[in-house]
Amino acid sequence: AQTVTQSQPEMSVQEAETVTLSCTYDTSESNYYLFWYKQPPSRQMILVIRQEAYKQQNATENRFSVNFQKAAKSFSLKISDSQLGDTAMYFCAFMKQDGGATNKLIFGTGTLLAVQP
Amino acid sequence: EPEVTQTPSHQVTQMGQEVILRCVPISNHLYFYWYRQILGQKVEFLVSFYNNEISEKSEIFDDQFSVERPDGSNFTLKIRSTKLEDSAMYFCASSAPVGTEAFFGQGTRLTVV
Repeated sequence: AQTVTQSQPEMSVQEAETVTLSCTYDTSESNYYLFWYKQPPSRQMILVIRQEAYKQQNATENRFSVNFQKAAKSFSLKISDSQLGDTAMYFCAFMKQDGGATNKLIFGTGTLLAVQP
Repeated sequence: EPEVTQTPSHQVTQMGQEVILRCVPISNHLYFYWYRQILGQKVEFLVSFYNNEISEKSEIFDDQFSVERPDGSNFTLKIRSTKLEDSAMYFCASSAPVGTEAFFGQGTRLTVV
């Protein structure tokens, strides 16, 4: 079974600074996807970034980038130039790629990020 | 931009009552899901639905739960006899081909009293 671990329950960063959120996972699968979802106070789940395990290049979306270390099973999220609107709970999630009829996401416990003015 | 829509946004029900949570997935998506998030906890997978049948369900998804896609657009989650511990945020999600990200609805907050 796959597990996702986020070891930082809460983090704080000053506006305009950079912050890195950690995520590790455990799987015996070789093909999978990893995601970061953001959950602001509205509680909507919003996709931030995704990474395919077969790709060596780290994904980037504007101010958001990941450091994907497949051998170490590590998938951290870096937020550059933090903005007040980045304040949210961030969930790391795993999805195996097996061509089956289910693409369920397995979530970590989340990191609550507070961006301070 | 297409989005997943859930209704109602908040539902209060008495213990033992039946509730139906409704979702309209993105129209060209093929995979549908329900997830649950108890307040302050992580998001948990309940069930996935593909080709008009359940493709996988978690141990949470017991006989009290059922899902249906009655008319080709709506996707519903029914809880037959609600318990206090069913109080949670319920998220519907949909995705297109295998491997693409799931798009989530805004959630239905279910409160069982």
